[in-house]
Amino acid sequence: QKEVEQDPGPLSVPEGAIVSLNCTYSNSAFQYFMWYRQYSRKGPELLMYTYSSGNKEDGRFTAQVDKSSKYISLFIRDSQPSDSATYLCAMISGANNLFFGTGTRLTVIP
Amino acid sequence: DTEVTQTPKHLVMGMTNKKSLKCEQHMGHRAMYWYKQKAKKPPELMFVYSYEKLSINESVPSRFSPECPNSSLLNLHLHALQPEDSALYLCASSQLAGDTGELFFGEGSRLTVL
Repeated sequence: QKEVEQDPGPLSVPEGAIVSLNCTYSNSAFQYFMWYRQYSRKGPELLMYTYSSGNKEDGRFTAQVDKSSKYISLFIRDSQPSDSATYLCAMISGANNLFFGTGTRLTVIP
Repeated sequence: DTEVTQTPKHLVMGMTNKKSLKCEQHMGHRAMYWYKQKAKKPPELMFVYSYEKLSINESVPSRFSPECPNSSLLNLHLHALQPEDSALYLCASSQLAGDTGELFFGEGSRLTVL
């Protein structure tokens, strides 16, 4: 079983839709949770960084962590064509090892 | 300046060639990383430098040789590569080696080995 599971998609939504991206994990030692966005042919860019269970909001983006279910989510409100990218979840264990999910490819259709 | 700059953006090389990838950051970060990313896969860690010293080598073959000449520069020397080494090579930096979540990535160097 992989440390981090993420549905690779692809996911296509109409402009303005609410997007939900999810990851599950098996290692209860994961303490920090991140979402990276990667545009085609570019390096990943950190979007959200959370530590505890609960929600963190930044503009149209909300990151949610449920440690009891070992489940994290990223919600994008009012999605725009410029949000079309691959979204990678990532997690850090207590030993500071970083684990990426496989990434979900999102396309927002105008 | 919050950029990590990588050169070249694209590189094509034969299996007998010797080439280098370069990475530069001027954010004062003391940890720098090399990642390898194949198509539709997440980045895979290759090397970590902390305070210009190699701290992690993820069992990378010796045909990849990293070098950190100073706190702003990171090189990856390539020699006798195989076609399966073709990938996007990403450089990243963070304030400290423990800040592995807050990585700043460059745009990558896309390598093709013929």
